[in-house]
Amino acid sequence: DAKTTQPPSMDCAEGRAANLPCNHSTISGNEYVYWYRQIHSQGPQYIIHGLKNNETNEMASLIITEDRKSSTLILPHATLRDTAVYYCIVRASGGGADGLTFGKGTHLIIQP
Amino acid sequence: DTGVSQDPRHKITKRGQNVTFRCDPISEHNRLYWYRQTLGQGPEFLTYFQNEAQLEKSRLLSDRFSAERPKGSFSTLEIQRTEQGDSAMYLCASTQGQSFTDTQYFGPGTRLTVL
Repeated sequence: DAKTTQPPSMDCAEGRAANLPCNHSTISGNEYVYWYRQIHSQGPQYIIHGLKNNETNEMASLIITEDRKSSTLILPHATLRDTAVYYCIVRASGGGADGLTFGKGTHLIIQP
Repeated sequence: DTGVSQDPRHKITKRGQNVTFRCDPISEHNRLYWYRQTLGQGPEFLTYFQNEAQLEKSRLLSDRFSAERPKGSFSTLEIQRTEQGDSAMYLCASTQGQSFTDTQYFGPGTRLTVL
């Protein structure tokens, strides 16, 4: 799986959009971008994933650049409960059975 | 859907003792994963089951670690002769394994402290 680079921490004001960047310059054609988050003392929670098109669900939006070398996770209206560590993960499609490779992620702090 | 459950949530043990953790995956999920997470780090993959078969082990899984999933449902992770370096959060995840998205759903984890 390709390596990802994320800023170690970010702040965002409550009610504003939180934009979390991720670089994955060595991503290959069959690799998806996944985002998980981990609230303190809980297990990781799946947020969203995508291949090359932008994706949106009830939690967030994922914007992937045309060259697929970077992506941005957008939480449109951040709340205090969105304070967590956010992990960007790249992995191959096809129901890959191997484990997810987590980095250190971005610690997002939502300020009241 | 009750989600992935793990038991116990916390375990404190003395160095040299054996410990066993249990994971109950989401019903009908045929893949089950174990991860370990130390303070300040992301989770690290340990091992994975497809039904009752253990198909992959990380090099992190030393000989003191053993995992089973005897009936393809719940799984246990045993650590023998615990060491202080084993102190970590042990996470379990499951997935149906049928969809190409292969989303892993995680349990709350078992936090192990070895004194």
